[in-house]
Amino acid sequence: NAGVTQTPKFRVLKTGQSMTLLCAQDMNHEYMYWYRQDPGMGLRLIHYSVGEGTTAKGEVPDGYNVSRLKKQNFLLGLESAAPSQTSVYFCASRRMGPYEQYFGPGTRLTVT
Amino acid sequence: AQKVTQAQTEISVVEKEDVTLDCVYETRDTTYYLFWYKQPPSGELVFLIRRNSFDEQNEISGRYSWNFQKSTSSFNFTITASQVVDSAVYFCALEGNYGGSQGNLIFGKGTKLSVKP
Repeated sequence: NAGVTQTPKFRVLKTGQSMTLLCAQDMNHEYMYWYRQDPGMGLRLIHYSVGEGTTAKGEVPDGYNVSRLKKQNFLLGLESAAPSQTSVYFCASRRMGPYEQYFGPGTRLTVT
Repeated sequence: AQKVTQAQTEISVVEKEDVTLDCVYETRDTTYYLFWYKQPPSGELVFLIRRNSFDEQNEISGRYSWNFQKSTSSFNFTITASQVVDSAVYFCALEGNYGGSQGNLIFGKGTKLSVKP
């Protein structure tokens, strides 16, 4: 039981490049989330999904797109990376109801 | 609007001291949930506790205790007899009950706790 996994763990991009971050969970959770963590800012919600085939915007969605084609996977895409997207990205999942979110180990992304 | 404030950016204590991390929240919901997460230097986020707005009983788990007071909109976290392994960033978070609750958490900015030997 791996919980929530994220791929890759680290990545360096040049401005304008694109990439996709993959989040996978094996707990059969309905809800999945993408956050970014910046120094002194806490975690901020980018996008989330309440079930397969559904996505919605969070607090800071600009510059990102997401897809949830399979229940266990939640993809975060950057179409044209900018230095302002340098951050640590966390994926999380949760079962239906007011329960805790389980977080992945994070992806450290640097955009130069 | 919902908001979580952790006014203490950094706290430094000596091992075996007691330390309290403050969390003040704002919400118009009558039903809501509060969480604490720990982020050790390794970077992962570890769930510590969830408390719903109808349960104001304090909770104790080993050296950890939580004091929830609706009257002051606070959900403070105390570590008794701190240890070096408690060094981490601690986040308080709020989940509202709006729109059928999508589980969206509003996080505070975190308090970095350093416990020195």
